[in-house]
Amino acid sequence: DGGITQSPKYLFRKEGQNVTLSCEQNLNHDAMYWYRQDPGQGLRLIYYSQIVNDFQKGDIAEGYSVSREKKESFPLTVTSAQKNPTAFYLCASQVTDNTEAFFGQGTRLTVV
Amino acid sequence: SQKIEQNSEALNIQEGKTATLTCNYTNYSPAYLQWYRQDPGRGPVFLLLIRENEKEKRKERLKVTFDTTLKQSLFHITASQPADSATYLCALDYGGFKTIFGAGTRLFVKA
Repeated sequence: DGGITQSPKYLFRKEGQNVTLSCEQNLNHDAMYWYRQDPGQGLRLIYYSQIVNDFQKGDIAEGYSVSREKKESFPLTVTSAQKNPTAFYLCASQVTDNTEAFFGQGTRLTVV
Repeated sequence: SQKIEQNSEALNIQEGKTATLTCNYTNYSPAYLQWYRQDPGRGPVFLLLIRENEKEKRKERLKVTFDTTLKQSLFHITASQPADSATYLCALDYGGFKTIFGAGTRLFVKA
């Protein structure tokens, strides 16, 4: 089955630690996205990538980094510079813009 | 900056009734407007997309309207069922890989 897979489902980070969230898709989509979701707020765009080896900052990129070395993969690293990382992180992909987005099941990150 | 508003209060309705959810936005109209369903602890799932030159779109028990004059979209679920209970997100798509999501409205359908 085609789809988009995020791992892990739950992740715990210690203060000052970098962590990486995985996102893999087998839909052959060019565009991939990372969103952050906090209670009572809409999804906020962290980074997006339109094509391999290219990515753009979204609205809240500070404290995050990404890479797009393969079409299928778009990992997100939450660095120690992100002061409030506890949130639900969603990865999505699209064939191109102005089409439906396919989302992964999310990763819930908690700082301990 | 562009803002999108969905009812922050939960909507409670009886099974069999029609649920109507509202999405209002400010400033300029998007080229596309999308609705998604999100269950607790899971990623959103696409439901419907409507273009700015379309007034209405239907899919089974779902209907979406898009009024660029009122800057509003309405999302209807007819003959609602308890399984329809979820959070529904409105998303404004301006193209250029720029989509703005609302915070969502929680719907509870009671049997």
